[in-house]
This record gives sequence, C-alpha cells and structure tokens, in this order.
Amino acid sequence: TQLLEQSPQFLSIQEGENLTVYCNSSSVFSSLQWYRQEPGEGPVLLVTVVTGGEVKKLKRLTFQFGDARKDSSLHITAAQPGDTGLYLCAGARGGSQGNLIFGKGTKLSVKP
Amino acid sequence: GAVVSQHPSWVICKSGTSVKIECRSLDFQATTMFWYRQFPKQSLMLMATSNEGSKATYEQGVEKDKFLINHASLTLSTLTVTSAHPEDSSFYICSARNYGGRAGNEQFFGPGTRLTVL
Repeated sequence: TQLLEQSPQFLSIQEGENLTVYCNSSSVFSSLQWYRQEPGEGPVLLVTVVTGGEVKKLKRLTFQFGDARKDSSLHITAAQPGDTGLYLCAGARGGSQGNLIFGKGTKLSVKP
Repeated sequence: GAVVSQHPSWVICKSGTSVKIECRSLDFQATTMFWYRQFPKQSLMLMATSNEGSKATYEQGVEKDKFLINHASLTLSTLTVTSAHPEDSSFYICSARNYGGRAGNEQFFGPGTRLTVL
C-alpha cells in the first residue's frame, strides 16, 4: 500500500515568517501534485512536479520533487494571511487509472 | 486550468431518501472521474473511480450498492447516495482526470457538495 506522510499537520505562524511542508513516502510516484483547499470548497491545483529533482516556483511558493520521486516539499516565503488554508500533497500512481494518494494535509494559519 | 462543476453545492435530506450528485467537466473530456469523501478537518478519502462506459471501481470498504456511480458521458459522472442516513453526512468532492495535462494524470476538482442527512 502506498502511503504519503505529510507534515506538519497543523501550522500557525505570524505574517512574514517562512515555512516548509513535507510529503514523504517509501514509494515512487510518477508525479506529485500540490493542492490548496479553502473551507467548503474543492481543492485547487497549485502545481504538478514530474521529474526527480524538479523545482517549481509560484510567486512566494517553491515546490521541490525529490531526486528519487518519493518525497516533495512546499516552501512558502514571507507568508501572508491569504496563504491560510489546507495544503494537500497527492502522489499519482502510474498506469491507466491514475489514482491519487493524498497526504493528510497541513492546516496552515497565518496571523496578521 | 480545467474546470469541473458539481451540483448541487449543498443538500439537506431526510433519512431514507436518495440523493444524486452531478459532476461535470466543463471544458475537457474526462474518461476517468473520481469521487472523494471528506470529513471535517481531514483529508480526502477516495471512494471510487468512475470510468466512462464501464462499471466504477470502488475502494475497499465502500458499499457499491449504497453509492451508485454512473459515468454515462465523457463530461458527466453522477453519484447517488441511496437510502441516506445521518452517518452519510459529509462533503463529497469529485475530480476529473485531464489527459491533456503535462503529467498526463492531473486531476481537477469540483467545488464539492455538502450533504446533510437529518
């Protein structure tokens, strides 16, 4: 069974601080996706990483895929209250089904 | 990005009734759609994979006779919660797989449906 361990589960920080969220697995994924979810809404895709060692930047967010494609990280620089939400990582299985394995999520709260 | 809609966005029903939730991919065709369930403050739990023109594949522990899935076209999948009970109250979210994406298996999510069974 493929598992994706996401940490930390909760994170409360002050505006302007930096933070990193981690997703780790013992399994290899064909790709890994990061989503952000607001309460009462569906997850919104932030980025997809495919290549081992890949780094992608989205404004103040930096996503990295591990060389072995087993782990990933999300780093937010100078967090703002608008970054508050649930961040989910999801690893894609290979094959035709393309199921996603979700981490448990990181609930981020950025206080002004 | 690809757009996925869900209807209704929320529904309140009496115990014993059936509720149908629709999931539509608006600007792309989706051979495969997924149905998830999410409890408060928890992550998404995959319920089933819906394949156009064939039977859905259910995850272990999900009753296929209770959660009926129909994927009649490349843009529409429906989930029917039959004989709903209060324990079925949850946030149901669908996603559609976009084969045109870079990774070939990116999923785009609908806004979710809040089901409350009284």
